[in-house]
Amino acid sequence: DAGVTQSPTHLIKTRGQHVTLRCSPISGHKSVSWYQQVLGQGPQFIFQYYEKEERGRGNFPDRFSARQFPNYSSELNVNALLLGDSALYLCASRAGHTNYGYTFGSGTRLTVV
Amino acid sequence: DQQVKQNSPSLSVQEGRISILNCDYTNSMFDYFLWYKKYPAEGPTFLISISSIKDKNEDGRFTVFLNKSAKHLSLHIVPSQPGDSAVYFCAATSYDKVIFGPGTSLSVIP
Repeated sequence: DAGVTQSPTHLIKTRGQHVTLRCSPISGHKSVSWYQQVLGQGPQFIFQYYEKEERGRGNFPDRFSARQFPNYSSELNVNALLLGDSALYLCASRAGHTNYGYTFGSGTRLTVV
Repeated sequence: DQQVKQNSPSLSVQEGRISILNCDYTNSMFDYFLWYKKYPAEGPTFLISISSIKDKNEDGRFTVFLNKSAKHLSLHIVPSQPGDSAVYFCAATSYDKVIFGPGTSLSVIP
């Protein structure tokens, strides 16, 4: 069984550019969340989607947006990139409204130069 | 404001001994607490969880203890093995949000 898959694995962008990160959840999982992990810190919650609706949003600026598609895959978009957006972006999925056991992908390493 | 705290950035333990990782939280509305393990270049892997209405949960070598009055939880690994060397994140859930601590890097020395 495929786990949570994220693409691309690594990405280098220039300040001011836009980036789109992609996530495919585990088959049957309807809930997808996005996290940002800066070196030396724990993952920070960005968004959670369930059944294509936004169910939660962390303390991130409006430059960050996301969506979930009918097949439950998801995209995270970041506009007007800043150097501080350089981080590991993690996607996680779970089957429904259970309060534990998110399965994480390996992440996309974004470097903004 | 950091709602989930792990005050020890690192911990070293001899193989075969007990590893105890600690976590404190501030929000009494958290309903589940989780521990994740992370190796470099991989995403976090779910280890064990505990409901806020329980005080202990055990799964093989891993046991999590919850002290609600102290807003404190701990993960015990017995016996510790070199393959347990990783970063361990304590996390808590509130509604549909999972809030992570900063992590503790565990080194198990053979």
